[in-house]
Amino acid sequence: NAGVTQTPKFRVLKTGQSMTLLCAQDMNHEYMYWYRQDPGMGLRLIHYSVGEGTTAKGEVPDGYNVSRLKKQNFLLGLESAAPSQTSVYFCASSYSIIKETQYFGPGTRLLVL
Amino acid sequence: GESVGLHLPTLSVQEGDNSIINCAYSNSASDYFIWYKQESGKGPQFIIDIRSNMDKRQGQRVTVLLNKTVKHLSLQIAATQPGDSAVYFCAENPGDMRFGAGTRLTVKP
Repeated sequence: NAGVTQTPKFRVLKTGQSMTLLCAQDMNHEYMYWYRQDPGMGLRLIHYSVGEGTTAKGEVPDGYNVSRLKKQNFLLGLESAAPSQTSVYFCASSYSIIKETQYFGPGTRLLVL
Repeated sequence: GESVGLHLPTLSVQEGDNSIINCAYSNSASDYFIWYKQESGKGPQFIIDIRSNMDKRQGQRVTVLLNKTVKHLSLQIAATQPGDSAVYFCAENPGDMRFGAGTRLTVKP
């Protein structure tokens, strides 16, 4: 099993450009999450999904959109990138949303100039 | 301990020594806790978890202690090895998962 995979690994964007980050999991997990991690700070939840076709806002959703068209995939979109969105983005999945370990992908490093 | 600033707390230990990493959590209603290890350039990895009906849980070379009275968690790593060098952070779950910023552990050979 590959677990949780993320593409791309690294990307440089100019302010105003758009992009989509892809997360895929092969563990048949219902729940998927997108986090951002900034230096010296904990993971902050952007959006999450409790199942195929569902999405919900997390702690810092502004400037991001998500889609979960297939159970195994969770996409994170930036419509108009801003320098404040420079961060490392982690995708995670879990069997259930409460009191369960989350399995993380390797991360996508995004630099917005 | 945990930090929300730009600089993570750091712990430097000699190879073979025991390490103790601390975490203060915020919500007295939290009833599930996880310790994660994050190596440089990688995503967090599960180490050990504990539920609030326990005070202590042991894994392979790791022990987690929970003190609900003072809302404090600790992770003890026995016979620390160079491969243990990483950022360690705790997560609490009062209904959704909350992550601390972490402590950077450096193991000196």
